[in-house]
Order: sequence, then structure tokens, then C-alpha cells
Amino acid sequence: DQQVKQNSPSLSVQEGRISILNCDYTNSMFDYFLWYKKYPAEGPTFLISISSIKDKNEDGRFTVFLNKSAKHLSLHIVPSQPGDSAVYFCAASADSGYALNFGKGTSLLVTP
Amino acid sequence: SQTIHQWPATLVQPVGSPLSLECTVEGTSNPNLYWYRQAAGRGLQLLFYSVGIGQISSEVPQNLSASRPQDRQFILSSKKLLLSDSGFYLCAWSGGSGYEQYFGPGTRLTVT
Repeated sequence: DQQVKQNSPSLSVQEGRISILNCDYTNSMFDYFLWYKKYPAEGPTFLISISSIKDKNEDGRFTVFLNKSAKHLSLHIVPSQPGDSAVYFCAASADSGYALNFGKGTSLLVTP
Repeated sequence: SQTIHQWPATLVQPVGSPLSLECTVEGTSNPNLYWYRQAAGRGLQLLFYSVGIGQISSEVPQNLSASRPQDRQFILSSKKLLLSDSGFYLCAWSGGSGYEQYFGPGTRLTVT
């Protein structure tokens, strides 16, 4: 049962433009959401997170938006850079210190 | 700063052979520890997590087992590997009250 869904397996964006990665979840108990970036043959790297009490969190070029009523979150990367090309995983948790539920990932390609 | 190590980086094992993957964390005490697997074309699946020495919780029934003999050491084992055990195995840690998990570099296991 996939509780976190990333429906776009891949996304291609031109350098300098905005990248928008989407994520949907089904479990209303989730109260914390995270985005990870993963390069091939490496472990995922934590990127940015958001608590369910907020609707936006920003860190440099990365902004995460949360729409609790729609059970939807998105990651915006502005401006996109070629080094951003990677697989991005959305994750959610209902309890700290416990399991993260991951989506299947979206492969982002930023072209020059 | 905290670091997480995994070894080996790659492993090719025949069906029916045993397995031992090791993970160690430095720079923190009493971390929560996790084993995940990423199969080809799929997201990250939690296999085991541990909140303390000797405390292991299993998320998915399988022929794998985990042990935590020391505070910052987490071991993934199997007595007899199956073809379906092939995948990318990731160890992660988190602080006791934190949601963010930090991943090691991973082990690519190929069962032949």
C-alpha cells in the first residue's frame, strides 16, 4: 500500500527555469514531510522538510509547499541548475524516530 | 559532525550463500538506526529499525535479519540469499527526537 505517491517518474527542465516536483499522500496521520535528493549509486541526501503546522518552508533555491486539505506537497527549485539533476524522493512520517514512508521518486534532468 | 559508514560498497553473492552487511555511525550517541532496500525501479522500503542495543523491529517478513550489537553498529544478515534479495541496501540514522534520517553510501548487492 503506497501511502506516498510521486506520479511523475521523470521531469526535464531547462537550466534557469523552475522545477516543480509533486507528491501526494493518503495517510492523514502524517505530520512531517521531507524531500531527499539521490545521485546514482549513492545514499539519499536530506534536502528540506516541512511540519504539518506550516504551509511553506524555504531554504535558498528550494521551497516546499504543503496543502494539507489536498494531501499534496511540492518542491520548487528556482533557478534550476544542471547539478540539480538527480532523483528526488518525497517522504512522510507520522512519528519522529520511526519509519519514513517514501515515494518511488522523480528523476529530474536539468538541461543547459 | 556525524558520519555513517557502510561496507562493502558492492557485493556479488550466489543464491543460497550467507550475507552480512555492516553499518556504523560516528559522532552521535544512541541513534535510531534503519535498514532500507531500494529494488530496481522502486522506492525505498524500510526493512528494520532499532531504537537501542538489541532492540530490532522488522517491517517486512523476509529471509533477512538485523542485529545491533553495539550502540552505533547495525548489521543486516541472511543465512541463505535469494535472487529477490538483489538491490541497493541503505543504512540510515536519526536523532532520538528528530524526523530527519541521514543515509549512508549504500551497498549494491547482486545475487546470482
